[in-house]
Amino acid sequence: AQSVTQLGSHVSVSEGALVLLRCNYSSSVPPYLFWYVQYPNQGLQLLLKYTTGATLVKGINGFEAEFKKSETSFHLTKPSAHMSDAAEYFCAVSPGNQFYFGTGTSLTVIP
Amino acid sequence: DTGVSQDPRHKITKRGQNVTFRCDPISEHNRLYWYRQTLGQGPEFLTYFQNEAQLEKSRLLSDRFSAERPKGSFSTLEIQRTEQGDSAMYLCASSLGQGVVDTQYFGPGTRLTVL
Repeated sequence: AQSVTQLGSHVSVSEGALVLLRCNYSSSVPPYLFWYVQYPNQGLQLLLKYTTGATLVKGINGFEAEFKKSETSFHLTKPSAHMSDAAEYFCAVSPGNQFYFGTGTSLTVIP
Repeated sequence: DTGVSQDPRHKITKRGQNVTFRCDPISEHNRLYWYRQTLGQGPEFLTYFQNEAQLEKSRLLSDRFSAERPKGSFSTLEIQRTEQGDSAMYLCASSLGQGVVDTQYFGPGTRLTVL
């Protein structure tokens, strides 16, 4: 069975501070992992994905995530938060065709 | 490439009415997916198509829901006899359909409110 747990439904950081959004997954097969961002009244936009190979994945807008198999984690980070990063972030795991999403983390950036 | 489009963006209906949503995927994308997203939750998979064939359906897709992709291009999702519990954002996504896993690109969604 596949599932995703996102710890912290709301995260607040100051502008310029480190962003860390947590994602732990459960998968019965080698996982393919994704982070999506959703701005208000918009669809989901892909930030980055891990399929195979290098475990540190770089995405758009300065975000990156590291796949840690031993910890079953795929946490999302960004060294310096920007006001425009305020949005809802979703982690997803896919064993193939179907995606399983977490419940999301709402990121607030404080000026 | 204009991205995935969905129509309408918002739909308000009365309980018991039927509604139909349309999704236009990115051209040349073979796979098309439907998801439902309720407030405070992540998207939940409903069904997906490979070209015109509906290959997988979730348990969430009750017999009041039907989806079609008749020519392998656009898709429609119909909900019959709507219930208040159907109120949600309905998201469509498409992908090239190459390989075991390929990136899904999402549309802006259709927000359904059932009164």
